[in-house]
Amino acid sequence: EDKVVQSPLSLVVHEGDTVTLNCSYEVTNFRSLLWYKQEKKAPTFLFMLTSSGIEKKSGRLSSILDKKELFSILNITATQTGDSAIYLCAVSSGGSNYKLTFGKGTLLTVNP
Amino acid sequence: GAGVSQTPSNKVTEKGKYVELRCDPISGHTALYWYRQSLGQGPEFLIYFQGTGAADDSGLPNDRFFAVRPEGSVSTLKIQRTERGDSAVYLCASSLNPPGLRETQYFGPGTRLLVL
Repeated sequence: EDKVVQSPLSLVVHEGDTVTLNCSYEVTNFRSLLWYKQEKKAPTFLFMLTSSGIEKKSGRLSSILDKKELFSILNITATQTGDSAIYLCAVSSGGSNYKLTFGKGTLLTVNP
Repeated sequence: GAGVSQTPSNKVTEKGKYVELRCDPISGHTALYWYRQSLGQGPEFLIYFQGTGAADDSGLPNDRFFAVRPEGSVSTLKIQRTERGDSAVYLCASSLNPPGLRETQYFGPGTRLLVL
């Protein structure tokens, strides 16, 4: 059974801090890894990673994938209170790409 | 353009009742997915539609759960004889094309179902 594990489960930081969120996975026939940000209810797409070693970057957020060690990290620099959310990692695998397997998420709280 | 929309936002029902949850995907998206998210957990896959047909319903927990997408756009998730354990946020997502290596699923705001 596919498995995605995120750590830490929760994290509290102050504005301006840099954070690193972790995602490890065990899946059959890996296809891609995705990061989502969830505020209130709707997860919003951040990144899709398919190749090792290529960093994806969007503003203060960046992410990289290591397919050999089976993990990904999401970095957020100069955190702001608006970054407070649950960050979800998901993996698509197997013969189809439609079924995403999610981790439990990391609850990030950024205090002023 | 509009994103994925779901109605109702919240639904409170009594154990044993029937409920319907609606999803309007992004216009033109052919693929539609339902997930269920329990408190403190990530979303769990329920069912995937490509067009009008359910291509994979392996995530539906039991035969009380059923979903349709008769015209290939709007989908309805139906739950019969609801149980307290069905309480969760039900998320719908859509993607532009049949799933491919780089296809991204876009999520709606979800319906929070509470079964008393």
